[in-house]
Order: sequence, then C-alpha cells, then structure tokens
Amino acid sequence: AQTVTQSQPEMSVQEAETVTLSCTYDTSENNYYLFWYKQPPSRQMILVIRQEAYKQQNATENRFSVNFQKAAKSFSLKISDSQLGDTAMYFCAFMGRDNNDMRFGAGTRLTVKP
Amino acid sequence: DTAVSQTPKYLVTQMGNDKSIKCEQNLGHDTMYWYKQDSKKFLKIMFSYNNKELIINETVPNRFSPKSPDKAHLNLHINSLELGDSAVYFCASSRQGAQTQYFGPGTRLLVL
Repeated sequence: AQTVTQSQPEMSVQEAETVTLSCTYDTSENNYYLFWYKQPPSRQMILVIRQEAYKQQNATENRFSVNFQKAAKSFSLKISDSQLGDTAMYFCAFMGRDNNDMRFGAGTRLTVKP
Repeated sequence: DTAVSQTPKYLVTQMGNDKSIKCEQNLGHDTMYWYKQDSKKFLKIMFSYNNKELIINETVPNRFSPKSPDKAHLNLHINSLELGDSAVYFCASSRQGAQTQYFGPGTRLLVL
C-alpha cells in the first residue's frame, strides 16, 4: 500500500520569504500522480498543485512550485514570496494511475508571520 | 457557483441517532468520494462511487452507508452514531480515472 509522509508537523515563515514543505512517499508503481492541497482555517480543501510522475518537468503555479525527485520518491512544495493568506494546513497526496484512491500525508501546519 | 456542496455544514447529535449528510456536485464528474478527517487532521478515504457504483470501500463500519441516487449526488448515511464518529466529513468529486479531486466545504459532525 502506498504511504505518504510529511515529516514537518509545523512550520513558520516570515511574510515575503520562501518556505519549502517536505513530502516523501512509498510506492511500487511507475505511473502515478502527486498533489498538494491547502486547508485554511475555513476548512475548505483547495488544490494547490498537481504533478504527473511521467513528467520530468516540475509543476509550477504562480508562487507555488514543486521539486519532484522520482528516484528518491520525494515531492516538496516551495512557496515563494509567502503571503499571510498562505497560512494553512498543507497536505501532500498520492494517487495511482489506474485508480481514484488518493492517500494523504498527515499534513504540515504553515504559519506566515507578518 | 458552488462546485461541490454539502449539507449540513454542522451537525450535532446524540449517540445512537441516525443521520445523513448530503453531497451534490455540478461539475459533471462521474466519480464521487467521502473522506473522514479526524481530530488530528488526518484525511482518510471512506468510499468512492463511479457512475453510481461503489468502487472503493475502505475498512469502514457497516453503520456507514453511501447512497448515490444519480451521478451528481452521493449521500452518506450513518446509523447508531458513536462518539468516535465525531469528525469532519468531506465529499469530493472528479472525472473518471486518476483525475484531480475537488472537495466540498466539509461537514463537522459532533456526537455527544
């Protein structure tokens, strides 16, 4: 079974600075998908970024980018120019290519300080 | 426009009661899901339905029963509620295949 590990329960960053959230996963599959979701205090789960394992190029979405290291099974999220609104729980998630079974990590609580 | 909606947003009830949470999506997706988020924020899939057929059923007590009247709806019925059922329940939907899942706002269930 696939497992997703987020080793940083909590992190903080100063506004306008850059922060990186770590995620590792374990799988025997070759093709799969990885996601980062954000959950602000409002509780809503919001997709931040998605990466297909067959793509070598790292996904980017404005201030959010990933460092996908397939051999190391690592999928970190970098947030540049952090904003107060980035304060939230961030969940890393894995999904196999042939199913819809999404597995989540335990989450990292990020606080952006003014 | 709401993409994935859930009702109610909050539900407080007594142990032993039966309750339902409704979910609707207007995205035209054909796969819907229920997740449970516990007090430590851990998210775990409970059920997945594709075209009204159950395709994932994790180790969930049979007191929980999903019902999908059509592709746009997936309701969650919970019988004989227990204290440990207190959690936030999220509905989600996606297109068929390993596609991005879009979540509803969650329903916070508190069993007293």
